Amino acid sequence: AQKVTQAQTEISVVEKEDVTLDCVYETRDTTYYLFWYKQPPSGELVFLIRRNSFDEQNEISGRYSWNFQKSTSSFNFTITASQVVDSAVYFCALTRPLSASKIIFGSGTRLSIRP
Amino acid sequence: DTEVTQTPKHLVMGMTNKKSLKCEQHMGHRAMYWYKQKAKKPPELMFVYSYEKLSINESVPSRFSPECPNSSLLNLHLHALQPEDSALYLCASSQINMLAAEEQYFGPGTRLTVT
Repeated sequence: AQKVTQAQTEISVVEKEDVTLDCVYETRDTTYYLFWYKQPPSGELVFLIRRNSFDEQNEISGRYSWNFQKSTSSFNFTITASQVVDSAVYFCALTRPLSASKIIFGSGTRLSIRP
Repeated sequence: DTEVTQTPKHLVMGMTNKKSLKCEQHMGHRAMYWYKQKAKKPPELMFVYSYEKLSINESVPSRFSPECPNSSLLNLHLHALQPEDSALYLCASSQINMLAAEEQYFGPGTRLTVT
């Protein structure tokens, strides 16, 4: 069975602080894909990153970075120098290597950035 | 154009009404999805269409009836809904890749209230 755990229900930090959102996944598949999505108050889920199980390189995109560690089944997301616009619910997700299949979402982490 | 549009944005309907939600994308994606999202929960998959054919139905009650008239359009027909069906309904689309899982692009959603 596949499962995604986001243990942090809510996080609140002051603007310009760094913040890490944790994601732990379970799967018996040797090949799988991991995603992060952002859902601002407007409701639309915004795709942030896709990573396949064979690519353990960390990725940086501006203030965003992702740390994928198969040894601990984790795919953590760090925002550096957070901004108020980063306030949103963030979902980590897992799926099999097949398009148009079911995505397993974590329960989400609500991030609030205080000015 | 990386946009998925959904209409209407808000819908209030009685339990005896018949209404439809509409979704459109012009990214050439051949997979389209309907999700239901309750407050403070992750999206739940309802249906998946691949190449305009229904490929996944997550045991959704028959009062929800999906339709994919062409590769750009996806409808969700609603009939005799219950108050517990009130939720945010999200549409998404993605490429189809036989060797990988592709990211999904989401619309802004329709916020449905059943009275």
